[in-house]
Amino acid sequence: AQTVTQSQPEMSVQEAETVTLSCTYDTSESDYYLFWYKQPPSRQMILVIRQEAYKQQNATENRFSVNFQKAAKSFSLKISDSQLGDAAMYFCAYRFAGGTSYGKLTFGQGTILTVHP
Amino acid sequence: DTEVTQTPKHLVMGMTNKKSLKCEQHMGHRAMYWYKQKAKKPPELMFVYSYEKLSINESVPSRFSPECPNSSLLNLHLHALQPEDSALYLCASSHASRDKGTDTQYFGPGTRLTVL
Repeated sequence: AQTVTQSQPEMSVQEAETVTLSCTYDTSESDYYLFWYKQPPSRQMILVIRQEAYKQQNATENRFSVNFQKAAKSFSLKISDSQLGDAAMYFCAYRFAGGTSYGKLTFGQGTILTVHP
Repeated sequence: DTEVTQTPKHLVMGMTNKKSLKCEQHMGHRAMYWYKQKAKKPPELMFVYSYEKLSINESVPSRFSPECPNSSLLNLHLHALQPEDSALYLCASSHASRDKGTDTQYFGPGTRLTVL
């Protein structure tokens, strides 16, 4: 069974600084997707970034980038130039890419990010 | 447009009530999901519909009854709930392909359910 581990229950960062959230996962599959979702106190789960395992290039979305280390099964999220609106719970998630999985996501326990002005 | 809408935003019900949650998307997605989320915990998958057919039921108690009337709409019918069922109920949708599996899930804002 796949597992996703976020070892940092809480993190904090100063506005405009950079912060990295950690995520490791365990799977025996070679074809899969990894995601970071953000859930602000307003509660809507928002996709931050997605990585396809067969792509070696790290995904980036504006101030958000990942460090994907497939051999180490590590998938960290870097937030540059942190803004107050980045404060949220961040979830790392895994999905097997196979056709019969029906998109079942395995989530980590989440990291609460606080941004200090 | 990556919008998934859910109604109502809040729901308070007694243990003997019958109520329904509604989820709607107009992105052409053919896979739709129900999740239950407790405070400061990750979402827990309840049901998955693919092409309007129930594909996954994660051993959810029968007091939760899902329904997918068409490709845009997903309902969750609630009956005889327990106080421990109080939670945020999230709906999500994604593209679905019988060959390639499903794609990125987009979530709705959720319904905050309180069972008295």
